[in-house]
Amino acid sequence: DTEVTQTPKHLVMGMTNKKSLKCEQHMGHRAMYWYKQKAKKPPELMFVYSYEKLSINESVPSRFSPECPNSSLLNLHLHALQPEDSALYLCASSQDRSSGANVLTFGAGSRLTVL
Amino acid sequence: GQNIDQPTEMTATEGAIVQINCTYQTSGFNGLFWYQQHAGEAPTFLSYNVLDGLEEKGRFSSFLSRSKGYSYLLLKELQMKDSASYLCAVGMDSNYQLIWGAGTKLIIKP
Repeated sequence: DTEVTQTPKHLVMGMTNKKSLKCEQHMGHRAMYWYKQKAKKPPELMFVYSYEKLSINESVPSRFSPECPNSSLLNLHLHALQPEDSALYLCASSQDRSSGANVLTFGAGSRLTVL
Repeated sequence: GQNIDQPTEMTATEGAIVQINCTYQTSGFNGLFWYQQHAGEAPTFLSYNVLDGLEEKGRFSSFLSRSKGYSYLLLKELQMKDSASYLCAVGMDSNYQLIWGAGTKLIIKP
């Protein structure tokens, strides 16, 4: 299995809703990432988990809350979002290598629209 | 600061060769990656260079010069399916962080 699976593919939510994005991989990768991507822009790193511990939080607002229940799963909990949070949310995973290439395998993304 | 430059858009003809350049100025360097991203889809890994020189992988090759802060991606025998954005990214010393270029949109014409 060489895939990263993200659900849902599309999500529309109001500013008062609470929702979650889910990500799953079975490649034995020990690093998992959340990225945000706006149209025609490169991906922006949000969070990194390494061996199920939060390693990087790129000053993301608290209305985004990541969770890594186990080495295969990564969630992003959403609450009280703003319309400007509308974007493609990409999950990725990689082998957690201390040297050499940490090649990212991306999921297909969850397209989020906040009304 | 961190800076990666690549052309915004390029056009090429089916069957031809195209070279997409990337220049970078970053505080760290742990290799340079090229990813392909079709519209509305996730990026997929194409190549990784950490030493100077050319890496060839089928129709795609990638070159790196660390002293010049320069890389290029060479695509040969272009096919319509190569129409996509090509993202250059520099790995930073933390090993998780990538500095991404804005991407080059490649348009292939028949």
